[in-house]
Formats: sequence, C-alpha cells, structure tokens
Amino acid sequence: GNSVTQMEGPVTLSEEAFLTINCTYTATGYPSLFWYVQYPGEGLQLLLKATKADDKGSNKGFEATYRKETTSFHLEKGSVQVSDSAVYFCALGGDSSYKLIFGSGTRLLVRP
Amino acid sequence: DTEVTQTPKHLVMGMTNKKSLKCEQHMGHRAMYWYKQKAKKPPELMFVYSYEKLSINESVPSRFSPECPNSSLLNLHLHALQPEDSALYLCASRPGQGIDTEAFFGQGTRLTVV
Repeated sequence: GNSVTQMEGPVTLSEEAFLTINCTYTATGYPSLFWYVQYPGEGLQLLLKATKADDKGSNKGFEATYRKETTSFHLEKGSVQVSDSAVYFCALGGDSSYKLIFGSGTRLLVRP
Repeated sequence: DTEVTQTPKHLVMGMTNKKSLKCEQHMGHRAMYWYKQKAKKPPELMFVYSYEKLSINESVPSRFSPECPNSSLLNLHLHALQPEDSALYLCASRPGQGIDTEAFFGQGTRLTVV
C-alpha cells in the first residue's frame, strides 16, 4: 500500500541555517504530495504541495520538488527563523479513496 | 472563508459521559474527515465522509460514532470512552476526490477522558 517515510527528528538548527527534511514515498500511480506544518497546540496547516513529477511547491521560503525517479519530496529552506519551530508532516494523497497518508512527522527546533 | 471550525476547543469528560464534537466548514467541500492525534504522533485517520455518506471507517471502536447531518457539518459522538482515548481530535475537509486537492484542518478539540 501507499506509505510515507520521513527522517527522524528532532532537528535542531541555529537561526539562518539551511534546512532539509527528507521525505520519501511508496505509491502506485501518480500521487499528489504535500507538506503540512503544525505549531504547538494547533491543527495542521498546508505549507506547500506538488501534484505531478518535477513540480516544485513553494511557500514562505520553503520549497520541495516532486522527484518521481527517487520517489522523494524533500523540504528545504535556505535560512530558518525561530518562528519556523514546529512539527512538519509530509503527506501523500492520490489513490481512488479519499485518504491522505501522513509521515511520522519531524520536529524542528530553531535556536536564536 | 477557508476555515474549518471545531468546537469545543477543550473537553474533559468522564468515562460514563456522552459528549459530541462538532466541525463546520462553508467552503462547499464534499469530503470531511475525523483524525485522532496522540502526542508526538501523526494524525491517524478515523472516518471519511464523502457527499454526506460514510465512505471510510478505519476500524474505529463503536464508542466513537460519526454523523454528517449536512454537507457543512460533521459530528463525532462520544460514549463510554477510555482514558487512552484522550487525544487531539482533528476535523478536516477537502473539495472532493481530486488527488491534487489539499485538506483543510480545524484547530482540533483537545479531549481528556478521566
């Protein structure tokens, strides 16, 4: 079945450092891929998405490229801020059901 | 309006109580979801409603009973819960079955069972 694998956290960075959070997926067909962010005590917010191979999603300085050849959708940001501290979830949606399948989440802590 | 609104934000209930969680969206979305999220874990899918009909039940115990009275509302009725059911319950909606559509999440109801 479809699945998503994310790198283990927590990831701890200093402000202005470069961020990469790895995400790989297993799926049949041509799924859409999403990154969601969850701040403490809140629900999930969509950060970005990509719906086909080689698409790049971007938002708020974050980017991720849908790589079908490596089945990956890694999240990157060139310069993180303290306010980016949150849990990031990679998600896959794309079979005939309505399911949205989440990775295990990666906690990011950015220190001043 | 791109919001999914959940009430209440916090709920404490005893194991013999009956309570309900409510979720509302006015985006015309035709798919609505209940997820359960334990601390430091990803959301776990519980139920999916599609066009007001239950389309997915992920083998959820019968003490959780979903209801979709109309296309904008989704309820989760709770009865005889256990302490291990304490979690953040998230509602989400999605326009439809299109695979490129994202889900919109509410802020969640933090449930504590005592």
